[in-house]
Amino acid sequence: KAGVTQTPRYLIKTRGQQVTLSCSPISGHRSVSWYQQTPGQGLQFLFEYFSETQRNKGNFPGRFSGRQFSNSRSEMNVSTLELGDSALYLCASSLAQTSGGIWDEQFFGPGTRLTVL
Amino acid sequence: AQTVTQSQPEMSVQEAETVTLSCTYDTSESNYYLFWYKQPPSRQMILVIRQEAYKQQNATENRFSVNFQKAAKSFSLKISDSQLGDTAMYFCAFMKHVSYGGSQGNLIFGKGTKLSVKP
Repeated sequence: KAGVTQTPRYLIKTRGQQVTLSCSPISGHRSVSWYQQTPGQGLQFLFEYFSETQRNKGNFPGRFSGRQFSNSRSEMNVSTLELGDSALYLCASSLAQTSGGIWDEQFFGPGTRLTVL
Repeated sequence: AQTVTQSQPEMSVQEAETVTLSCTYDTSESNYYLFWYKQPPSRQMILVIRQEAYKQQNATENRFSVNFQKAAKSFSLKISDSQLGDTAMYFCAFMKHVSYGGSQGNLIFGKGTKLSVKP
């Protein structure tokens, strides 16, 4: 099976612009989560999507948004970019079985390196 | 709120030796999962090992094992027979127990330990 893919791998934007990042999960995986990784704050959870619905959200401003399509592919959008948004954005997918109490491993993509100038 | 603390920003070990990475966490939850993730210089995060809090037995995966002390809220990772390919950032992570229909995505990570394996 192909792994989690993220596009683009590298992106350079300027302050005030907006950006859209894409994540394609492993085939059959229904949950996609997004994380921001910075040297100062480490890895922080942004949000999780399951069946096209946002199921959980971290503590980020409304400039950060996402969506999931019927094929489980997900996009995240950051509007009005700030210098502090420079980070590695990771997405992770999991099977997300519907039975409670079942843990499904999250598989991470290689990330998108966003630089805001 | 849950927190995860890794007190060793950097460590180094000689090839073939054993190294232990420390992790402590804070939670009021009684049922949860703990993980160690590895992020090599290529950046793809990989799960190394996981532990369910309700299990008393420490998890083991080949050369990797954990020392889970629930009362002390400690979760250390031991790497035996270190190999050059073990060079990476290692992240300790926490996740609450998943209930029916609940989110599985919210991993809480520590700041990481950069491990260098020297030949």
